[in-house]
Amino acid sequence: GQQLNQSPQSMFIQEGEDVSMNCTSSSIFNTWLWYKQDPGEGPVLLIALYKAGELTSNGRLTAQFGITRKDSFLNISASIPSDVGIYFCAGQLSGANSKLTFGKGITLSVRP
Amino acid sequence: DGGITQSPKYLFRKEGQNVTLSCEQNLNHDAMYWYRQDPGQGLRLIYYSQIVNDFQKGDIAEGYSVSREKKESFPLTVTSAQKNPTAFYLCASSNLANSYNEQFFGPGTRLTVL
Repeated sequence: GQQLNQSPQSMFIQEGEDVSMNCTSSSIFNTWLWYKQDPGEGPVLLIALYKAGELTSNGRLTAQFGITRKDSFLNISASIPSDVGIYFCAGQLSGANSKLTFGKGITLSVRP
Repeated sequence: DGGITQSPKYLFRKEGQNVTLSCEQNLNHDAMYWYRQDPGQGLRLIYYSQIVNDFQKGDIAEGYSVSREKKESFPLTVTSAQKNPTAFYLCASSNLANSYNEQFFGPGTRLTVL
């Protein structure tokens, strides 16, 4: 099936640092979504993007819908310990019949 | 409070037994989804439903069955035909009235086959 690429699988940063993660595909997406999952819980929607080039913020989080519609970026500024978790990107293809395609996620660790 | 509930949180079953996982939503969402999550694999779609009394197979439907008799409920049965059922199962829902398909997830059920 369709793939969204997220790498690396794990990231380790120091508290207070900024971190960027991206999500890429060979296909064009109409919608990009970013989720965060805490251990043993369901993913929580962080940011939704609907238009190419769109830049949206949610507190310390900023995400962008790539201009080619084949990628998206998530930035976390001034990281704190509670930012620890798995960050998933998801996208909806044109005509995907309401299905989303998910990346495999990036596990973020924040050292105090 | 509006949201999606899944029960139970933890479920144990013996090999060869069928088990049903519950998913309920009070968001008045049209569509509901079941995903399976394994370590390092991300989320894989099992089944989804866009309307009552209708559902479609996802990428890994073999060994699973669903029903959608009510808009609020989308139970998943893990049958004995599922070869490797131990996993974390996530239910989600979305409002099809807009075209953006923002899916909202429940807290998950961890199934362990003994």
